[in-house]
Amino acid sequence: QKEVEQNSGPLSVPEGAIASLNCTYSDRVSQSFFWYRQYSGKSPELIMSIYSNGDKEDGRFTAQLNKASQYVSLLIRDSQPSDSATYLCAVIISSGSARQLTFGSGTQLTVLP
Amino acid sequence: GAVVSQHPSWVICKSGTSVKIECRSLDFQATTMFWYRQFPKQSLMLMATSNEGSKATYEQGVEKDKFLINHASLTLSTLTVTSAHPEDSSFYICSASTRGGRTEAFFGQGTRLTVV
Repeated sequence: QKEVEQNSGPLSVPEGAIASLNCTYSDRVSQSFFWYRQYSGKSPELIMSIYSNGDKEDGRFTAQLNKASQYVSLLIRDSQPSDSATYLCAVIISSGSARQLTFGSGTQLTVLP
Repeated sequence: GAVVSQHPSWVICKSGTSVKIECRSLDFQATTMFWYRQFPKQSLMLMATSNEGSKATYEQGVEKDKFLINHASLTLSTLTVTSAHPEDSSFYICSASTRGGRTEAFFGQGTRLTVV
C-alpha cells in the first residue's frame, strides 16, 4: 500500500462545477496535510494546509480532513479553466524514527470551458 | 509563502559534461532540502534529501556518485549532475523546508535539463 494515494484521473469537470479531489494516507498519527497545485511544465505550489478534522476554506478552495478515516480532500467551487492542473496531496508521514513530507502521485484535473 | 529560487531555469549541455543546479531559500532558513526529478506526464520522484551540514540521503536507485548534492548552508543546496547522458534529461526540482522536513515544503521554479 502506498503511503499517500490519490486517483490519478484524469478528472474532467465543466466550468462552474465543483471539482472534488481525494487522498488517503496510511500513517494513523499524521497531523499535517497539504495540497499543492502543479501546472504543466511548472513546479508545484502550495495552495492549502490543514491540520484539524473538519473543513478549512480559502476562497474557492475547501480542504476537508477526516483523521479517523485517514482521508483528506480538496473541493474547488466554481471551477475555472485556469484551475486545470495536477493536484498533489502531501502528508507528513512517519518513517522509522523520522517524519517527512510525502507526496501522492497527483490527480490531473481538466476544467472544460 | 516562502520563496525558493532555483537556477538555472533551463540548461542544455553536451553528453559527458557536468551541470550544477542551485537552490536557494531567500527568506527563511532551510534545514532540509529535497531534490526531485520529473519526467513528462509522470509524478514527482524524490531523488535525495539533504540536511544542512550533513551528507544527503539518497532514494533507492539514485546514484550518489552521479548526482552530487551539497547543502553547505541553511540557504543553499546544489545538485551536480556529473557526466550527464541523454537519459538524464528531465525536469529537476528542489524544495526547501524548516524543522527537518516536518513541515510544508516550498518549491523552486525547477530546472529543465537537456543533454545532447
